[in-house]
Amino acid sequence: GAGVSQSPSNKVTEKGKDVELRCDPISGHTALYWYRQSLGQGLEFLIYFQGNSAPDKSGLPSDRFSAERTGGSVSTLTIQRTQQEDSAVYLCASSYGPGEQFFGPGTRLTVL
Amino acid sequence: QKEVEQNSGPLSVPEGAIASLNCTYSDRGSQSFFWYRQYSGKSPELIMFIYSNGDKEDGRFTAQLNKASQYVSLLIRDSQPSDSATYLCAAEGSGTYKYIFGTGTRLKVLA
Repeated sequence: GAGVSQSPSNKVTEKGKDVELRCDPISGHTALYWYRQSLGQGLEFLIYFQGNSAPDKSGLPSDRFSAERTGGSVSTLTIQRTQQEDSAVYLCASSYGPGEQFFGPGTRLTVL
Repeated sequence: QKEVEQNSGPLSVPEGAIASLNCTYSDRGSQSFFWYRQYSGKSPELIMFIYSNGDKEDGRFTAQLNKASQYVSLLIRDSQPSDSATYLCAAEGSGTYKYIFGTGTRLKVLA
């Protein structure tokens, strides 16, 4: 595809439910990043993948958060037992090695 | 805790003026620095990156890096109302692919 795509664009869920957020990076990009941005805040690093492996998971806020990447391409961020404080825009970015990251449009998650 | 600090603003400048955005970082091992622009409700997009001490110019934008002072800045010449956005500074963690973002500076260019 021409750019990074994310789905869904919006997700409203009830507290306690699980959600899955998907990211399709730019073809050929080996690095993939997940960030969280709360209203009016900067980007909070969650996790990055180099290929299918995640060398750094230090940004995941709790063990309710997990992520995987398969085939060096699509990645899924899963949040279990969602809480209201998980409400934010979740951004995915990809890059070809270190350097410029290309961001997707984000998924706006609202936990009621 | 590695950090990137920015003044949240808003920074207001008149149209045609120079806007100066500043950023400091704590990881002395960081080698690469990036400026992203984020319009309200949109995703960040890269404006400039800089690796070496000194200035780097691209059109109306100049990035400045001073590794000794751990300071990065972005100058926008001939500011336009369309430059009104939040500008995010990011530093690459030393020896990693991890990027630390500042909270951003909101710029308002007044017509």
